Amino acid sequence: QSALTQPASVSGSPGQSITISCTGTSSDVGSYSLVSWYQHYPGKAPKLIIYEVTKRPSGISNRFSGSQSGNTASLTISGLLAEDEADYFCCLYEDSGTFEFGGGTKLTVL
Amino acid sequence: KLQESGPGLLKPSETLSLTCSVTGASFGRFYWSWMRQPAGKRLEWIGRIFTTGTTNFNPSLKSRVTMSVDTSKNQVSLNLKSVTAADTAMYYCARVRCNSDGCFLDYWGQGILVTVSS
Repeated sequence: QSALTQPASVSGSPGQSITISCTGTSSDVGSYSLVSWYQHYPGKAPKLIIYEVTKRPSGISNRFSGSQSGNTASLTISGLLAEDEADYFCCLYEDSGTFEFGGGTKLTVL
Repeated sequence: KLQESGPGLLKPSETLSLTCSVTGASFGRFYWSWMRQPAGKRLEWIGRIFTTGTTNFNPSLKSRVTMSVDTSKNQVSLNLKSVTAADTAMYYCARVRCNSDGCFLDYWGQGILVTVSS
């Protein structure tokens, strides 16, 4: 199984944009468009915000966007709001039918 | 829409048994997955079960894990035998949505904390 690497924390001021990276290897993230992103408030159910690298589920704000370059998938949140302060983690679906998760990133809105 | 339930405290060597009850979301013809997250660590995928009973498990847990599904109650269950302190974690269930490209987890429960302690 691969290990997806995320920064432990990021921060930004209201109105700014931030990007959270999720780095794998050429044999996983780099080979497939199967990364999803989740927003998680402690004690609440994680919420899907991006799937298949760039797609947003219905009802998710277009302030959330996903991209991928090489072995790194990224989540960008634009126009930061106080309510965006949460944990964010990436997830990769692998050929074997398994899922691998990033270590999670705590977003602080200053 | 997804609610995990079960004992929150177990003794070493006991069997962890959790149930995920699904309401307000389509149950049939989906995989349902279990994950866990020890405090301060990343999520770990435990396995998944289709509503026909087909399963896939994390190789690292396969020898101790079983899953079952009750389509009449819209429930999926997880059993993990011979638990140790290392199995202490938040346990989550989630629905797996798949298309021709791959799969992702579109609905999650809020999780249940399971502690293994003597």
